[in-house]
Amino acid sequence: DIVMTQSPLSLPVTPGEPASISCRSSQSLLHSNGDDFLDWYLQKPGQSPQLLLYLGSNRASGVPDRFSGSGSGTDFTLKISKVEAEDVGVYYCMQGLQTPLTFGEGTKVEIK
Amino acid sequence: QVQLVQSGAEVKKPGASVKVSCKAYGYTFTDYYMHWMRQAPGQGLEWVGWVNPKNGVTNYAQKFRGRVTMTGDTSISTAYMELSSLRSDDTAVFFCVRDRGGHSSSYWGQGTLVTVSS
Repeated sequence: DIVMTQSPLSLPVTPGEPASISCRSSQSLLHSNGDDFLDWYLQKPGQSPQLLLYLGSNRASGVPDRFSGSGSGTDFTLKISKVEAEDVGVYYCMQGLQTPLTFGEGTKVEIK
Repeated sequence: QVQLVQSGAEVKKPGASVKVSCKAYGYTFTDYYMHWMRQAPGQGLEWVGWVNPKNGVTNYAQKFRGRVTMTGDTSISTAYMELSSLRSDDTAVFFCVRDRGGHSSSYWGQGTLVTVSS
């Protein structure tokens, strides 16, 4: 199974400031078609997870452009250019290259 | 619009089975795989498996094989996940998730809490 490792696991943030989360996979997520099969999700308190980014860097429908994704292979980063209060919750990376699909441990983002 | 509506919370005794339903609205049910995820209280997300509603083909995570059965009823656009031989550590919220299928959105059900307690 592909192991996903996130850091940090807890991230206090200041509104208006940038924030970033790292995700590392135990195997390359680069498919032969050139896509990295890495998604980012945000689970707000009391809600179902919502897709933020797919294939590493593509924003999902309706996601604000302050969210961006980068990386390839085994190292990926989610960046928030200017954190807003509504961005609090737990962020998960997930690999979709092979089953079993696997998630990182989650990064809890909260306002300082 | 696309919506997945899951059945309500369940309380089961150890050793029993539970069947969770997920009714799909707003798209052609047979066009997308349906995944099921599990989230234990205060914990992260875990993939349980998927079902292809078009032909009933399934793919389960190794740890659930032999205990889980995923099906789809195309006549009512509803997917099901049945988990048997329940243990206390199966207590969790189960989510159905429509596969992204090459599009820019994924859709999650609201979650179903399954509590296993004697």
